[in-house]
Amino acid sequence: SQTIHQWPATLVQPVGSPLSLECTVEGTSNPNLYWYRQAAGRGLQLLFYSVGIGQISSEVPQNLSASRPQDRQFILSSKKLLLSDSGFYLCACTGGLSEQYFGPGTRLTVT
Amino acid sequence: AQSVTQLDSHVSVSEGTPVLLRCNYSSSYSPSLFWYVQHPNKGLQLLLKYTSAATLVKGINGFEAEFKKSETSFHLTKPSAHMSDAAEYFCVVSDRIWSGGADGLTFGKGTHLIIQP
Repeated sequence: SQTIHQWPATLVQPVGSPLSLECTVEGTSNPNLYWYRQAAGRGLQLLFYSVGIGQISSEVPQNLSASRPQDRQFILSSKKLLLSDSGFYLCACTGGLSEQYFGPGTRLTVT
Repeated sequence: AQSVTQLDSHVSVSEGTPVLLRCNYSSSYSPSLFWYVQHPNKGLQLLLKYTSAATLVKGINGFEAEFKKSETSFHLTKPSAHMSDAAEYFCVVSDRIWSGGADGLTFGKGTHLIIQP
């Protein structure tokens, strides 16, 4: 079964600083990969998904970007963080019957 | 288009009593439906899934859900609540045809389950 790793687990960054969150997947090949953000008291918002290396689809326009340099690696980035980027970021991959499996998440606080 | 509505933002039950978390969905096609649980500052864990097989689906930790097409519902139940069940629960619908193959999931806003001792 799939195992999803995310790091760092927590991150505190000042406004205007860059961001790089990493997600790696074990136990599957050629998965669909997803980045979600969960703001305080809200549900999950899909940010990006990828169906293959170098293939990124953006769901919400914003100052974040995503890249998939390897089959099982998905990176979320920003050149300049905003206060509104604070939240809980979750990486997910597709399972066998369209369910998704989630990583442990990264708590980002922008100060 | 697909959507999912979790009818209660908070549910509070006493330990040992039954749990009912309500979910209604809409989908243009035959959907797949899921329930996920999220403990504080943790990722989401899949509790159970419905994918057009048996309408009564059993999941982990004693939870089950029944797919009722006529009512467009997929309510989550558990006969006896445990303190460790306190968490956020998400109902999710997937309409793979609509999503164009990207396994598009639509999440409900979540139900916070509180267990009273």
